[in-house]
Amino acid sequence: QSALTQPASVSGSPGQSITISCTGTSSDVGSDNLVSWYQQHPGKAPKLMIYEVTKRPSGVSNRFSGSKSGNTASLTISGLQAEDEADYYCCSSAGNHTSVFGGGTKLTVL
Amino acid sequence: QVQLVQSGAEVKKPGSSVKVSCKASGGTFNNYAISWVRQAPGQGLEWMGGIIPIFETPKYAQNFQGRVTITTDESTSTAYMELSSLRSEDTAIYYCARESKQTTVLTPIFDYWGQGTLVTVSS
Repeated sequence: QSALTQPASVSGSPGQSITISCTGTSSDVGSDNLVSWYQQHPGKAPKLMIYEVTKRPSGVSNRFSGSKSGNTASLTISGLQAEDEADYYCCSSAGNHTSVFGGGTKLTVL
Repeated sequence: QVQLVQSGAEVKKPGSSVKVSCKASGGTFNNYAISWVRQAPGQGLEWMGGIIPIFETPKYAQNFQGRVTITTDESTSTAYMELSSLRSEDTAIYYCARESKQTTVLTPIFDYWGQGTLVTVSS
């Protein structure tokens, strides 16, 4: 199980949109629709933002959206706000009921 | 409201073992998968393994096979993660995380998280 590939960092200005990619293989990201995204602020536990590729848990802003094409999943944040500055991790099922995380992406709001 | 409360920080010697607990409250315990995720200082998240208490059969990440044991005690709604043969690279915050939907298989959907337990491995 190798970690999924995410860009180390992305940045955007308030009000803009950004997209974070998460690339795996046909054995994980490409195998089903079990891809989740987590937001983590410094010193805090991760928070679920997207699950099953496109679904948002109750209470998560509709500025967050997810998609997938082939072996690559994506998280898009629209209308960037200062509070969105955090680390973001994708996570996918990886066969045999296991999971694997991406390496994480640091989002900077300029 | 589901809450996961983990045991306190630990300092361990290389070669020893550590056992971290995760007590769930605010809902039933048996039908909800619990996973363990760790985060080394300044590093990313790493899935270690998980278990659905009612089925009692854990699944482990390949990187931890043979070194990690995940168990549950349904009588106290507590999950445990034991990591053996500790080395300095195991210094990390260890989180337990639970799904919000009853499931028969482990999924990467972690709705609830414990506060994390810092395990420091040092001679």
